[in-house]
Amino acid sequence: GAGVSQSPRYKVAKRGQDVALRCDPISGHVSLFWYQQALGQGPEFLTYFQNEAQLDKSGLPSDRFFAERPEGSVSTLKIQRTQQEDSAVYLCASRRAGSHSNQPQHFGDGTRLSIL
Amino acid sequence: EDQVTQSPEALRLQEGESSSLNCSYTVSGLRGLFWYRQDPGKGPEFLFTLYSAGEEKEKERLKATLTKKESFLHITAPKPEDSATYLCAVQAIGGANSKLTFGKGITLSVRP
Repeated sequence: GAGVSQSPRYKVAKRGQDVALRCDPISGHVSLFWYQQALGQGPEFLTYFQNEAQLDKSGLPSDRFFAERPEGSVSTLKIQRTQQEDSAVYLCASRRAGSHSNQPQHFGDGTRLSIL
Repeated sequence: EDQVTQSPEALRLQEGESSSLNCSYTVSGLRGLFWYRQDPGKGPEFLFTLYSAGEEKEKERLKATLTKKESFLHITAPKPEDSATYLCAVQAIGGANSKLTFGKGITLSVRP
């Protein structure tokens, strides 16, 4: 079956530009997560949605980062006025159940963002 | 604050040479400990979930175990295709987010 799909796979932007990263979760999955993975590091949590509600955004590094999931399916992570330290792989994960579940999260292959 | 430490950072094995990967963790209350495999340029691929101390799970050449402070991923008679980065993550009880806190990963190389 179809897994989590992310686009684009690669994105190059100049410092100061805005970017938008898309995530298509597994169909029917209630929970959606965004993580940031720097080179040689494990993924770090950014934000969590249950359906269309953003229940936790405590991991977003600054107010330049914004995420939405307006219809409870596709999600977009937007970064405004990009800076070089934003360069990383951005991973999306989905899970069938909602919060308080310990079901595994299933990850997409990520978007590799490079800021010049 | 939840913390996960994995060791060693990198491990090189000869094909058939069994070994173990360590994951030490501190968490206020454990809802689950997860092992993932990550290949270069790919997202993490789910392997196991462990919920309580004493639990063990197996899949092909891999066996995961859990104590109150650490988890081990045992690899028996590894093959070159087992080469990857292995990530350990914990999920804490409480809060609405159920986020995963990951370690840095262990890069495993298996030589033929």
